Amino acid sequence: GQNIDQPTEMTATEGAIVQINCTYQTSGFNGLFWYQQHAGEAPTFLSYNVLDGLEEKGRFSSFLSRSKGYSYLLLKELQMKDSASYLCAAGGNDYKLSFGAGTTVTVRA
Amino acid sequence: DTGVSQDPRHKITKRGQNVTFRCDPISEHNRLYWYRQTLGQGPEFLTYFQNEAQLEKSRLLSDRFSAERPKGSFSTLEIQRTEQGDSAMYLCASSLGGRNEQFFGPGTRLTVL
Repeated sequence: GQNIDQPTEMTATEGAIVQINCTYQTSGFNGLFWYQQHAGEAPTFLSYNVLDGLEEKGRFSSFLSRSKGYSYLLLKELQMKDSASYLCAAGGNDYKLSFGAGTTVTVRA
Repeated sequence: DTGVSQDPRHKITKRGQNVTFRCDPISEHNRLYWYRQTLGQGPEFLTYFQNEAQLEKSRLLSDRFSAERPKGSFSTLEIQRTEQGDSAMYLCASSLGGRNEQFFGPGTRLTVL
């Protein structure tokens, strides 16, 4: 089966950095995805890691350690529009995604 | 707009009625996925297609649920004899092959009264 764990909520101030951790257990691991979801909207793709290490994309970076079953999403220079739910998803057998419950990030002025 | 589209966006129905949702994936994408999402949870996998072939169905998908993708393009998800527990957001996603990111549609929010 699949087990994806991530914190429920995080709060940070505008301009700060926030790190969202995710641990996973899955069979047939085929990469770790991060999605952003604003309230009432569909998830939008942020990043994909299949090899160990850090992937940087502008203000967002994602890290993966396959041996530890661990990933994190780093959000830098936080903006109010970054207030959203961030979903960690593990690609399993045949690339089906198993999602965590999501981490709600609130950015305060 | 060339993204994933879903219709309807909202559906309110009475318990016991049948409902059908449609998903139009990105045109060149051969994989199509259906997920269900309830408040405060991440999407849960329901089923997926590669072209017109339905490759897997989750145990979440009872025999009241059926999905088709007759020509390998759009897909429909039908729920028969709806129950209040079926109330959720139904999300469709598509991808080009299995190893690429999935692009999600806006979802159909179902409310069963």
